Amino acid sequence: NAGVTQTPKFQVLKTGQSMTLQCAQDMNHNSMYWYRQDPGMGLRLIYYSASEGTTDKGEVPNGYNVSRLNKREFSLRLESAAPSQTSVYFCASSEGTGLHYGYTFGSGTRLTVV
Amino acid sequence: EDKVVQSPLSLVVHEGDTVTLNCSYEVTNFRSLLWYKQEKKAPTFLFMLTSSGIEKKSGRLSSILDKKELSSILNITATQTGDSAIYLCAAYNTDKLIFGTGTRLQVFP
Repeated sequence: NAGVTQTPKFQVLKTGQSMTLQCAQDMNHNSMYWYRQDPGMGLRLIYYSASEGTTDKGEVPNGYNVSRLNKREFSLRLESAAPSQTSVYFCASSEGTGLHYGYTFGSGTRLTVV
Repeated sequence: EDKVVQSPLSLVVHEGDTVTLNCSYEVTNFRSLLWYKQEKKAPTFLFMLTSSGIEKKSGRLSSILDKKELSSILNITATQTGDSAIYLCAAYNTDKLIFGTGTRLQVFP
């Protein structure tokens, strides 16, 4: 099925460990996004990539890095995980910026940092 | 700072009731207002509103945007248990969506 694929679906990390969340879309979308969702906080933008080769900080970028590997893939890296990064992470993509085409979301990664 | 605020945070109703969810926004370079429904996993798209005063409808759901008041409402009539979800409002500026905290709706039989 066409869409946004996130891996892994679940992950438990120890404080200080690193990991990369993977996201790939097969809709030839230009723009990709990483959000985190915490109870009572809604979806907060971490980083986004308006087009291949560009990345920008969102609302809560501290503690994260991203790589837009190619047009399809946008990864999110936690270099030294902290309990405050326990959250559900969603990747999304859209055709472009400037005019809203609609976001397609992945199914999410539930990350627990102990 | 851009922000989107939703109210109420939580709502419990019985099947058949009508509910109104509220969303207000303060976003620079505002372009459109979107509503999403989130059940167990990823948000799914409901409506996109760009023009003030024009109602969008899909079955028992409807939504309208008021650009003068910087707000939008989502109405659900004759609620069903399947409407139980978190409803997210998001404002789109020139390059990204800014989400509200969501309204959790629970519909009991």
